[in-house]
Amino acid sequence: DQQVKQNSPSLSVQEGRISILNCDYTNSMFDYFLWYKKYPAEGPTFLISISSIKDKNEDGRFTVFLNKSAKHLSLHIVPSQPGDSAVYFCAASDTSGTYKYIFGTGTRLKVLA
Amino acid sequence: DGGITQSPKYLFRKEGQNVTLSCEQNLNHDAMYWYRQDPGQGLRLIYYSQIVNDFQKGDIAEGYSVSREKKESFPLTVTSAQKNPTAFYLCASSIGQGNNEQFFGPGTRLTVL
Repeated sequence: DQQVKQNSPSLSVQEGRISILNCDYTNSMFDYFLWYKKYPAEGPTFLISISSIKDKNEDGRFTVFLNKSAKHLSLHIVPSQPGDSAVYFCAASDTSGTYKYIFGTGTRLKVLA
Repeated sequence: DGGITQSPKYLFRKEGQNVTLSCEQNLNHDAMYWYRQDPGQGLRLIYYSQIVNDFQKGDIAEGYSVSREKKESFPLTVTSAQKNPTAFYLCASSIGQGNNEQFFGPGTRLTVL
């Protein structure tokens, strides 16, 4: 039972345009969400997070939106750069319990120069 | 220079042998985690530990064992009982309380010959 889903395995975007990566979750107890970026054969690096008390969090070119009623979050990258080409994972946690994080299957973003 | 180290980067073992993957952190984090990544799949949780001398099974603990004798160290043993051990293994740590991100090590690629 996949509690965190990234339904698009890949996405291609032109340099300078907006990249939108989507993530859906099923567990209404999740209250903290994170996005990670991963290059091949490396560990993921943290990008941005959002708590369920907010619906938007922005950090430079990266913005995460949370729609609790739809159990959906998205990561916007504007403008997209070739160095953004990587696999992006969303993760969710129920911080009232154990400190477990459930990860999605990832979306491979390719930014075309 | 704080961080998480995993060694070795690449590891080969013969079928039927146990092997231990190292994970060390100097971030003074309470919680540590082991994940496995397979092609086309997200990060799946093997074991996690919230404090020293305590750990819990994750979603795919069968065929693995861990110990947490020191706060800085969380070694993972892949036993001969693990049916499909070839994978990329990632160790992570977090502060362990409240909303916070996980920091990942560079990973170990285990190949069973």
